[in-house]
Amino acid sequence: RKEVEQDPGPFNVPEGATVAFNCTYSNSASQSFFWYRQDCRKEPKLLMSVYSSGNEDGRFTAQLNRASQYISLLIRDSKLSDSATYLCVVSFIGNQFYFGTGTSLTVIP
Amino acid sequence: DTGVSQDPRHKITKRGQNVTFRCDPISEHNRLYWYRQTLGQGPEFLTYFQNEAQLEKSRLLSDRFSAERPKGSFSTLEIQRTEQGDSAMYLCASSLGLRGGANVLTFGAGSRLTVL
Repeated sequence: RKEVEQDPGPFNVPEGATVAFNCTYSNSASQSFFWYRQDCRKEPKLLMSVYSSGNEDGRFTAQLNRASQYISLLIRDSKLSDSATYLCVVSFIGNQFYFGTGTSLTVIP
Repeated sequence: DTGVSQDPRHKITKRGQNVTFRCDPISEHNRLYWYRQTLGQGPEFLTYFQNEAQLEKSRLLSDRFSAERPKGSFSTLEIQRTEQGDSAMYLCASSLGLRGGANVLTFGAGSRLTVL
């Protein structure tokens, strides 16, 4: 079983829509959680860390459910510039970082 | 530029040749990671260093792969006797090595390898 599982999509949504991605992880001892964004043929870049109480950064909201071992990312009022692949990342003891396969999002005008 | 630097950005080689990639991490970062990414997949962990010590290697890292970080600063990843299946983007990342959510990876732009 993979450490991190994501629905690869693609998600095609109109501008202004709200879209949500989920990700599950297998190791209950995982400690740190992140969402990274990756544009086509570019390196992954940190979008936001995910904290136990949930956290928000502008139009982006991340949630962590330790009991069910899943992480979510909600994007409100989608912009064309949000089109990218969103990678769920889980870290165990702060050493190895496990990446999901990524979820592809295309925001349509 | 104070980010993570990788060189070369692109490498085309013939099967059986050796290739070497270099990564210069952010200067104050003591952890350095190598990942491999193929199309449609997320980055796959290869190995990581804490300063000059190589602390973990993935089972993906066959005997043809070797990584070094001799002075705890830059790192090299060498692939010997390349195979077509080695074609991928090789990503380097570094981090401060802090605990918890503060241990964030910063990636370089990657080195794209094509084996003919």
